[in-house]
Amino acid sequence: EVQLVQSGAEVKKPGESLKISCKGSGYSFTSYWIGWVRQMPGKGLEWMGIIYPGDSDTRYSPSFQGQVTISADKSISTAYLQWSSLKASDTAMYYCASAGGYWGQGTLVTVSS
Amino acid sequence: QTVVTQEPSLTVSPGGTVTLTCASSTGAVTSGYYPNWFQQKPGQAPRALIYSTSNKHSWTPARFSGSLLGGKAALTLSGVQPEDEAEYYCLLYYGGARVFGGGTKLTVL
Repeated sequence: EVQLVQSGAEVKKPGESLKISCKGSGYSFTSYWIGWVRQMPGKGLEWMGIIYPGDSDTRYSPSFQGQVTISADKSISTAYLQWSSLKASDTAMYYCASAGGYWGQGTLVTVSS
Repeated sequence: QTVVTQEPSLTVSPGGTVTLTCASSTGAVTSGYYPNWFQQKPGQAPRALIYSTSNKHSWTPARFSGSLLGGKAALTLSGVQPEDEAEYYCLLYYGGARVFGGGTKLTVL
């Protein structure tokens, strides 16, 4: 059974750093892309970027370029989304998704002073 | 900035048929945009329904179908069930980039 399991909810202060994860199982992790999607409270889905774990080729949507970093560790079948300095406007639910239509359960990130 | 446009809201009666559409600011949507459709219910993660215009995932109910219609991608629900009330999002591929539509809130009434 294919599964994407994301790390738990986070509460952070503005300016702090954060790295959330998405662990794939039940398939060949290096064979399929993983994307990250943001959903701000009460809003729609936004595509942030994508990584191909086989070669770590990464593409960012213009709105997120330079704002976040997407990476992957294929040795543990895990993709990551990280921020170096969080802002209150980063408060959102973040989902990972893979080819084949599989989605993680989401990670809620709350940034508040 | 590429914009993908969906109807903000639609209402359908149980047992009825409804078509949701997905337009691109760059022009007509073709199969080369690999239209995808997702369903999201409150408090849940999105669920993939359709990929590459008209292909269904193994879990997609038969009443959902995807197509191209008048220069747009389209999602048609035939024989709508109460549990189909949800937000629906399309996703288009622009080369290496991908863009979601703003979503359509479907009410079953």
